[in-house]
Amino acid sequence: EAGVAQSPRYKIIEKRQSVAFWCNPISGHATLYWYQQILGQGPKLLIQFQNNGVVDDSQLPKDRFSAERLKGVDSTLKIQPAKLEDSAVYLCASSSEADTQYFGPGTRLTVL
Amino acid sequence: ELKVEQNPLFLSMQEGKNYTIYCNYSTTSDRLYWYRQDPGKSLESLFVLLSNGAVKQEGRLMASLDTKARLSTLHITAAVHDLSATYFCAVDNNTNAGKSTFGDGTTLTVKP
Repeated sequence: EAGVAQSPRYKIIEKRQSVAFWCNPISGHATLYWYQQILGQGPKLLIQFQNNGVVDDSQLPKDRFSAERLKGVDSTLKIQPAKLEDSAVYLCASSSEADTQYFGPGTRLTVL
Repeated sequence: ELKVEQNPLFLSMQEGKNYTIYCNYSTTSDRLYWYRQDPGKSLESLFVLLSNGAVKQEGRLMASLDTKARLSTLHITAAVHDLSATYFCAVDNNTNAGKSTFGDGTTLTVKP
C-alpha cells in the first residue's frame, strides 16, 4: 500500500514570496491533516479535513495560510506571503476515520 | 486548551539499561499515541492507547496509559543503539477525535 506522498521535499524562498505544498493521502483515507513542525518541537496541527470539508482550522494563520481539498483526495497548503518564522517542516498525514495517523515525508521550508 | 508535557526532553543512556519516558496531559482524553521520529524523517506510529489501564508492547518498548492520572509512560527495556530517535506522545481532543496535540518530544541517545 502506497503511503502519504508530499511534494516538494525541500523549498527555499525569500520572505514575502509565496509557496505551495501538495499532499496525496493514502487511498481511502477520508481525514487529512496538515501540521507545522518547527525544529525542536512537536508537530502543531494547522488544519484537519474530513473528505473535502474543514473540521478544524483554529490554529491556521488565516491571514497568510490557506488550504484546500477540493475533491476530497489531494490537498494543497499555501503560504502567501511567507515570513521568516514560517521556516519549518510541513507534514501531511491521513487517517481512516479517527484512527492512527500516517504521516508523509514532509516538506522542509526555509524562508530567507 | 489541551497541553501535553513530556519529560525528560533529552535522554542519554547506555546500551542494556532500562528507562521510562513520561507524558502528562492537562484535560480528559481517551486516546493517546506514541510516535517515533528519526533525524530528518517523518513520524512513525508506535502505539495507540485507547482506555484506562491499556498496555501495549513491541520489542523493547512498552507503553501504558492511566487516564485518571492523565499520564502515559513509554518504558525502554535493555536499550540498544537502534532505539536512538525522538519519541513523541500525542493526545486526542475528546470533542474532536483525530485532533491531536503533541508533546515536544524526548530525544533518546543510546550509547554503546
